[in-house]
Amino acid sequence: GAVVSQHPSWVICKSGTSVKIECRSLDFQATTMFWYRQFPKQSLMLMATSNEGSKATYEQGVEKDKFLINHASLTLSTLTVTSAHPEDSSFYICSAMGPGGTYSYNEQFFGPGTRLTVL
Amino acid sequence: KNQVEQSPQSLIILEGKNCTLQCNYTVSPFSNLRWYKQDTGRGPVSLTIMTFSENTKSNGRYTATLDADTKQSSLHITASQLSDSASYICVVVTRRALTFGSGTRLQVQP
Repeated sequence: GAVVSQHPSWVICKSGTSVKIECRSLDFQATTMFWYRQFPKQSLMLMATSNEGSKATYEQGVEKDKFLINHASLTLSTLTVTSAHPEDSSFYICSAMGPGGTYSYNEQFFGPGTRLTVL
Repeated sequence: KNQVEQSPQSLIILEGKNCTLQCNYTVSPFSNLRWYKQDTGRGPVSLTIMTFSENTKSNGRYTATLDADTKQSSLHITASQLSDSASYICVVVTRRALTFGSGTRLQVQP
């Protein structure tokens, strides 16, 4: 199956700093990528949909100025958590929609996730 | 409101035993239903994808069923292994969105 990578796999930062997380589709081109966050023992919550070459679409309640998304190429999307605070500590997961077909039938391939801890 | 409910929330079984996880949904319009396995600290990995017309689909020791009339799905795990310990997430897809269940945490004990 298609492979999606994330980097870094974990990061610890001080409060007030910014952190960038990369999501790459390794063996296919992904026009659409998704960013999720997951708190312990909870399911994934969609934060935003990232389309190559256009602005991301954010879910209600997600601050677009705090969570900056850039999808500059067909294989790379980045999520930057700006001025991170302890409450931003979470597990961030990206996914990429598989090639071809329509959204409904394309499987999403998930990255391995990035554990962010803000001190 | 589109919802996906999974049961049980957690489950402990002995290695070698079978188990069945349940998923009920109210999502519409339905496009397809997916089961994912998520190991702790990892991203979800797809097990099965079923469309409206499919009643059952297998992937090794994993067998998923779908009853689109009652809006229920199940995931049956046969001859469980220690490596099956994970969260299993049911996801229902519409044309525009994915609705995630909260998952069933399975622990397989030796």
